[in-house]
Amino acid sequence: QKEVEQDPGPLSVPEGAIVSLNCTYSNSAFQYFMWYRQYSRKGPELLMYTYSSGNKEDGRFTAQVDKSSKYISLFIRDSQPSDSATYLCAMRPGTYKYIFGTGTRLKVLA
Amino acid sequence: DVKVTQSSRYLVKRTGEKVFLECVQDMDHENMFWYRQDPGLGLRLIYFSYDVKMKEKGDIPEGYSVSREKKERFSLILESASTNQTSMYLCASSWDRRSSYNSPLHFGNGTRLTVT
Repeated sequence: QKEVEQDPGPLSVPEGAIVSLNCTYSNSAFQYFMWYRQYSRKGPELLMYTYSSGNKEDGRFTAQVDKSSKYISLFIRDSQPSDSATYLCAMRPGTYKYIFGTGTRLKVLA
Repeated sequence: DVKVTQSSRYLVKRTGEKVFLECVQDMDHENMFWYRQDPGLGLRLIYFSYDVKMKEKGDIPEGYSVSREKKERFSLILESASTNQTSMYLCASSWDRRSSYNSPLHFGNGTRLTVT
C-alpha cells in the first residue's frame, strides 16, 4: 500500500465548476501538507502549504486537512481553462522526506 | 519569490557519457534536493543535501552522485548515463532544517534528459 493515494484522473469539468481534488494517506506522523500545480513540461509550482487540520484559503483555492480521517483536499472555485494541469499533493512528517501523490490530471473545458 | 534555476531544459546524451545537471537557488535555502519524475511512478528522491558538502541518499541513488560546494548550487552527476536514466529531473530547495516551521519544497522547471 502506498503511503499517499491520489486518483490519477483525468478529471474533466466545465469552466466555472467547483473542483475537488483529494489525497488519502496512511502515516499519522505526517504534519505538513502541500498542494502543487504542474503544467506540462514544467516543474511543480507550490499552491498551498498547511501544517494543521482545518481549512486554508488563498483566492480561488482552499486546502482542507482532516487528520482524523487522514484525508486532504484542494478545492478550486470558478475553475478556468488555465487551471488545466496536474495537481500533486505532498506531505512530510517533519523530517527531510517528502511523500508525493502521483498527481491528478485536471481538464477545465471552455 | 523563491527562484530555483536549472541550467538546461532539454539534454540529449549518449549511453556511457558523464552528465552534469546544475541547479542554483537564490533564497539562501539550506536544503536542496534532486528528484526524477516518471509517468506512473511520480516523484522519486535521488539525493538531498542539508548543508554545504553534506549529502544524503534518497530512494534511488544508484547510478548518480551529487556535489554541493556552495550553498546556492547543487549538482547531479550521472557517472555513466544509461537509457533507463531518461527522465525529467527536478531540483528543489527548502528552508532551514532547524526551523520549527519547516518550509515546503520549491522546484525548478526541470531538465528533460534523453539518453540514447
